[in-house]
Amino acid sequence: GAVVSQHPSWVICKSGTSVKIECRSLDFQATTMFWYRQFPKQSLMLMATSNEGSKATYEQGVEKDKFLINHASLTLSTLTVTSAHPEDSSFYICSAREGPKLARETQYFGPGTRLLVL
Amino acid sequence: SQQGEEDPQALSIQEGENATMNCSYKTSINNLQWYRQNSGRGLVHLILIRSNEREKHSGRLRVTLDTSKKSSSLLITASRAADTASYFCAIRSNDYKLSFGAGTTVTVRA
Repeated sequence: GAVVSQHPSWVICKSGTSVKIECRSLDFQATTMFWYRQFPKQSLMLMATSNEGSKATYEQGVEKDKFLINHASLTLSTLTVTSAHPEDSSFYICSAREGPKLARETQYFGPGTRLLVL
Repeated sequence: SQQGEEDPQALSIQEGENATMNCSYKTSINNLQWYRQNSGRGLVHLILIRSNEREKHSGRLRVTLDTSKKSSSLLITASRAADTASYFCAIRSNDYKLSFGAGTTVTVRA
């Protein structure tokens, strides 16, 4: 099946710094990528949807200036957590859907990136 | 927003037993999907059932969907220790977004 990778798998940073997380579709072109956040023992919450070459659409309550998303190519999307604070510590998971048909049903998930902000 | 609600929150069974978990939702759906997540790992897609389907099988997995009750169930038969994980239902609504339930944590005792 299709593979989605994320890098790094975990990161520890100091409060106030910015952290970039990469999400790559390895063997397919992903016109749409999704970013989720998961707190311990909780469900995945959709943060934003990004389409290649256009601005990301953020879910209600997610600060777009805080979580910068760039989907510059059909195989790469990045999430940058700017001026990270301890409350941003979480498990960030990306997902990709093979394009271009909007109705494609299966999303492929990356292995996740664990962020710890000290 | 979180669409699905899962029941039970946690389940502990003996190896060889069956495990059943339920998912209820509130809106109309395009399809419903079940995923597995091992501790601290990403999600693995298990099975997808469309809104016009009532039952689907995949190996030891059986999924049912009752759109009149807005509910789905996932049955794992003859469970194994390797089935220990969290299981999430995800609702694919007509805007093509996936919304996840809170998950059921399944522990299979050897």
